Amino acid sequence: EPEVTQTPSHQVTQMGQEVILRCVPISNHLYFYWYRQILGQKVEFLVSFYNNEISEKSEIFDDQFSVERPDGSNFTLKIRSTKLEDSAMYFCASSDPGLATDTQYFGPGTRLTVL
Amino acid sequence: GIQVEQSPPDLILQEGANSTLRCNFSDSVNNLQWFHQNPWGQLINLFYIPSGTKQNGRLSATTVATERYSLLYISSSQTTDSGVYFCAVDTGANSKLTFGKGITLSVRP
Repeated sequence: EPEVTQTPSHQVTQMGQEVILRCVPISNHLYFYWYRQILGQKVEFLVSFYNNEISEKSEIFDDQFSVERPDGSNFTLKIRSTKLEDSAMYFCASSDPGLATDTQYFGPGTRLTVL
Repeated sequence: GIQVEQSPPDLILQEGANSTLRCNFSDSVNNLQWFHQNPWGQLINLFYIPSGTKQNGRLSATTVATERYSLLYISSSQTTDSGVYFCAVDTGANSKLTFGKGITLSVRP
């Protein structure tokens, strides 16, 4: 069964550094999402992406965040200057608008630790 | 925005017991999904169920959209069922999912 993949599984970085989290959505899906989960808390929406542009973003997704689909398979989340409070699990998800359901399929997550 | 409330927040069961997890939501929904977050942090899709009833092995789910709630049933629980169960909803096609705070289930041998 097709699945969403994410790399790396765990990233440790110093405060102020840039990080890029990578995702490969399911191949025929057209909607892509990033969510995050701070340890012990609920999952929060960051941004959705369709047709090479952001379709929706939350107030968390400020100017230090950006997303890109650099080629036909990858979807990336960049954090320009990491802060301690960016430490969280980041999930990528994708969905297929052509299906009768719009189930979002989640990747295994990237655990980001900012020191 | 839409509110999602899950109850109970914590649940402890003896292996073999049955349980019911509840999700209430404050507005009409287009999509409702149940997830299981395993000890490694992965979110496992259990059900896509904006309305009606579905079953998958020992798990089943029912959503009553007109009354704005969904129930997840776990029968004959096993220790591997332990983890956090999340309900998530969206109010438009392919739009953002809003998650509840989750229900932490511990199944003891």
